[in-house]
Amino acid sequence: DIQMTQSPSTLSASVGDRVTITCRASQSISSWLAWYQQKPGKAPRLLIYKASTLESGVPSRFSGGGSGTEFTLTINSLQPDDFATYYCQQYSSYLVTFGGGTKVEIK
Amino acid sequence: EVQLVESGGGLVQPGGSLRLSCAASGFTFSSYAMSWVRQAPGKGLEWVSYISSSGTTIYYADSVMGRFTISRDNAKNSLYLQMNSLRYEDTAIYYCATFSSSVYWGQGTPVTVSS
Repeated sequence: DIQMTQSPSTLSASVGDRVTITCRASQSISSWLAWYQQKPGKAPRLLIYKASTLESGVPSRFSGGGSGTEFTLTINSLQPDDFATYYCQQYSSYLVTFGGGTKVEIK
Repeated sequence: EVQLVESGGGLVQPGGSLRLSCAASGFTFSSYAMSWVRQAPGKGLEWVSYISSSGTTIYYADSVMGRFTISRDNAKNSLYLQMNSLRYEDTAIYYCATFSSSVYWGQGTPVTVSS
């Protein structure tokens, strides 16, 4: 199985901050990586797929980068609605795996 | 508009069975491999099962092997998950999803295993 290591697990930030979350794969997954936002009681919301493609309707302050084994999700100018938990996911094989999540909290 | 709508979740006693369904629309269902993913309360996301577009290739997570059966009906644009011998630890929200050139998820259906 491909292991996904996400860091940090918790991030405290203020409105307007630029934040970056990192995800590392245990082996190369090319660009088969997605990022999700999840709020309590809700389904995961797709933000980014193929490592850097912004899902339709997602604000442009979200951006994804990387390939191979190292990936990042950056949120420029954090907004109140962005405080949530974020997950990375690899889908390079049938056995998709997820990072452990990053909770973005208000500082 | 792409839609994946799960149904069939509910409350079941340990050892019981449930059959989840996922109705797909807005894309060529028969061309896409499909998966089930679950999320236990307060926990992360866990892959459960995979079925190829034709239904000929199937995989399961070790935690559900021998108890769960994935299937699909391409004529009905539907995906299924038959869950038998349910355990407390199967309590979760179950999502159907597809991960390929596009990524689509449903909104999930809750399964609670409790006596």
